Amino acid sequence: SQTIHQWPATLVQPVGSPLSLECTVEGTSNPNLYWYRQAAGRGLQLLFYSVGIGQISSEVPQNLSASRPQDRQFILSSKKLLLSDSGFYLCAWSKHEQFFGPGTRLTVL
Amino acid sequence: GQQVMQIPQYQHVQEGEDFTTYCNSSTTLSNIQWYKQRPGGHPVFLIQLVKSGEVKKQKRLTFQFGEAKKNSSLHITATQTTDVGTYFCAGPDRGSTLGRLYFGRGTQLTVWP
Repeated sequence: SQTIHQWPATLVQPVGSPLSLECTVEGTSNPNLYWYRQAAGRGLQLLFYSVGIGQISSEVPQNLSASRPQDRQFILSSKKLLLSDSGFYLCAWSKHEQFFGPGTRLTVL
Repeated sequence: GQQVMQIPQYQHVQEGEDFTTYCNSSTTLSNIQWYKQRPGGHPVFLIQLVKSGEVKKQKRLTFQFGEAKKNSSLHITATQTTDVGTYFCAGPDRGSTLGRLYFGRGTQLTVWP
């Protein structure tokens, strides 16, 4: 069966520090992968999606970037975090429906 | 651009009351999906509707897809405290095979015991 992992589960970072969030999928090959951000009590904002290794599409301009170095690995990064980057970051993969990882709760202070 | 709108944003009900959330798309959808996110958790897929006018049931949950395939609803009969969470509808990107979904903003359901 397929599983999706995200880490860390929670993260507190100072403004201006770098960020690296990792997502890995097991049990499937060549999945479509997605990064979402969810502000407290809000909906899901799609940040990036990828259909294959090295292929990244960005949905909104921001100081975040994504990379897909391996088929089942998706990384979200930032060189310098802003306060507004705080939120709940969700990775997902899809077949027809989307399967979400447990998420990373990021607080930027 | 393509949009999926969902109302209401919040709903507070007493246990035993019914609950309905509505979803409308700016474009005709090939299918519509529903997800539930428990407080502190991640969205979990509930169901997909594909056919015009389709109705599906999961125990106390009834999902409908409109005849024009532009709207959908989720109805919960006799809510329980376990129904608490945010319910999202989502429709696929028109003309895309990338699996990209447009999510509604969700309806946050609170159930008083």
